[in-house]
Amino acid sequence: DAKTTQPPSMDCAEGRAANLPCNHSTISGNEYVYWYRQIHSQGPQYIIHGLKNNETNEMASLIITEDRKSSTLILPHATLRDTAVYYCIVRVDSGGSNYKLTFGKGTLLTVNP
Amino acid sequence: GAVVSQHPSRVICKSGTSVKIECRSLDFQATTMFWYRQFPKQSLMLMATSNEGSKATYEQGVEKDKFLINHASLTLSTLTVTSAHPEDSSFYICSARGYNITGLYEQYFGPGTRLTVT
Repeated sequence: DAKTTQPPSMDCAEGRAANLPCNHSTISGNEYVYWYRQIHSQGPQYIIHGLKNNETNEMASLIITEDRKSSTLILPHATLRDTAVYYCIVRVDSGGSNYKLTFGKGTLLTVNP
Repeated sequence: GAVVSQHPSRVICKSGTSVKIECRSLDFQATTMFWYRQFPKQSLMLMATSNEGSKATYEQGVEKDKFLINHASLTLSTLTVTSAHPEDSSFYICSARGYNITGLYEQYFGPGTRLTVT
């Protein structure tokens, strides 16, 4: 199973872009990179996922390096409500669509006023 | 995104009693449901995976006779913690996977249930 490495914590000023890195150097060619976040005492919230190409949605952008060994989640204009633990997950494929999401320790992003 | 609900959101029970937690997918049919457990300041740990109408598959180290999982329909899964003990106090989170209303096959998480065993 491909593992991920994230910094334990990061700070960001409100209104600025938050760039959260993730290393997944052992990722396989057919494994996706998923990002979830968990606000304190709530369930995880899906943010974005990608395979090879960069992806963007209303919440964030995902930049995946060409060798796919690392990625960066970008929150373009961080707000105080973006303070949460952000999890970078490589999707473990246990056969077809029967995959499992395994959470690491994530990065605690604190957005400061 | 799709909505997954859990009930109750908080429960306090006495040691030795059993507690049932419900997980519902409100606007899509969940072919697979997952149960996670999260202790304070730790990450989510997958406990078990269940497919509708089938027996759950438990992760290593999770006692299947203690954590009973029933996935009776495509919108409902239950987790029963039997003979609960204080060390079972935790944040239990369910997750449901299926095709949402836009046709995307994705996984969504419930808001969690805080179990405290006294």
